[in-house]
Amino acid sequence: GQNIDQPTEMTATEGAIVQINCTYQTSGFNGLFWYQQHAGEAPTFLSYNVLDGLEEKGRFSSFLSRSKGYSYLLLKELQMKDSASYLCALRGGYQKVTFGIGTKLQVIP
Amino acid sequence: DTGVSQDPRHKITKRGQNVTFRCDPISEHNRLYWYRQTLGQGPEFLTYFQNEAQLEKSRLLSDRFSAERPKGSFSTLEIQRTEQGDSAMYLCASSLALQGGGTDTQYFGPGTRLTVL
Repeated sequence: GQNIDQPTEMTATEGAIVQINCTYQTSGFNGLFWYQQHAGEAPTFLSYNVLDGLEEKGRFSSFLSRSKGYSYLLLKELQMKDSASYLCALRGGYQKVTFGIGTKLQVIP
Repeated sequence: DTGVSQDPRHKITKRGQNVTFRCDPISEHNRLYWYRQTLGQGPEFLTYFQNEAQLEKSRLLSDRFSAERPKGSFSTLEIQRTEQGDSAMYLCASSLALQGGGTDTQYFGPGTRLTVL
């Protein structure tokens, strides 16, 4: 089976940097995704990690450590529009992707 | 824009009625997924297709739920004898799986919000 843990809520200030952590346990691993989901909307793809290390994409970076069952999403230069839920999702041994409950990020002025 | 589309966007029904939702994936995508999402939770996997074959189905999915993808293009999700607990957002996603492997990113449609009264 698979288990994903991430904080339910976080608050950060506009212009700052925030790190959203995700820990997981799985019997098989084929990659970890991060999605952004604004309230009432569908999730949108942010990043995918299958190897250890940091993947950078503009203001967003994602890190993976497979040995530690750990990932984080780093958001830099926060903007008000970054207020959303951030979903950590795990691809296990097959094609099924399991989502965490999401971290609701509130960006304040 | 030729992203994933879903129809209808909203559905209100009475308990005990049957409902059917449609998903049109991105045209070249060969995989199609259905998820259910309730407030404050992440999407919960229901089932997925590779072309027209249904390859995996969640054990949480009762016999009242059935999905098809008859020609490997659009898909339908039917819920029979709806219950109030079926009220949720039903999300469809599609992806392109290449034979050589690599990233298989799922792109989501806008969802169908179901309310069972």
